[in-house]
Amino acid sequence: GQNIDQPTEMTATEGAIVQINCTYQTSGFNGLFWYQQHAGEAPTFLSYNVLDGLEEKGRFSSFLSRSKGYSYLLLKELQMKDSASYLCAVRGSEAGNMLTFGGGTRLMVKP
Amino acid sequence: NAGVMQNPRHLVRRRGQEARLRCSPMKGHSHVYWYRQLPEEGLKFMVYLQKENIIDESGMPKERFSAEFPKEGPSILRIQQVVRGDSAAYFCASSPLDILTEAFFGQGTRLTVV
Repeated sequence: GQNIDQPTEMTATEGAIVQINCTYQTSGFNGLFWYQQHAGEAPTFLSYNVLDGLEEKGRFSSFLSRSKGYSYLLLKELQMKDSASYLCAVRGSEAGNMLTFGGGTRLMVKP
Repeated sequence: NAGVMQNPRHLVRRRGQEARLRCSPMKGHSHVYWYRQLPEEGLKFMVYLQKENIIDESGMPKERFSAEFPKEGPSILRIQQVVRGDSAAYFCASSPLDILTEAFFGQGTRLTVV
């Protein structure tokens, strides 16, 4: 089975940096994904990590440590439009390799 | 190349009625995943289908729920005799391979049972 934990809510200030953590316990592992979801909209893909280390993509970076079952999403130079839910998801090794999602972290960016 | 298309976007049903949710995957994608999202919660996997085959339905309730992905036409998620607890957003994702490197999600169908 899969168990994925992330904080429920976070608040940060415009222009600052925020780190959203995700820990997972899975029976198989084939990669970790981060999605952004604005209220009432579909999740949109942010990043994918399958090897240990940091993947940087503009203002967003994602880190993975497979031995620790740990990932984080780092958002720099926060903008008001970054207020959204951030979903951590693990791809398992079962047939179909579907994604199992955590509960999501609701980030509120304040001026 | 249109994205994943879901319809309707919003669906209202009375308790006991049937709900049919449709998902047309991206062109060239033959793998479809359905997820359910309750308010303020994450996405819960329901079912994974390929054309004419259900590969994994471990997340789908055993009763009242069914899914299909025919050779022609969209994938359908069908909920019979809906109850208030079925009210949720239902998202469909598609992939070109059986290894999900990136799931492209549709805009979802928001089902409200009154």
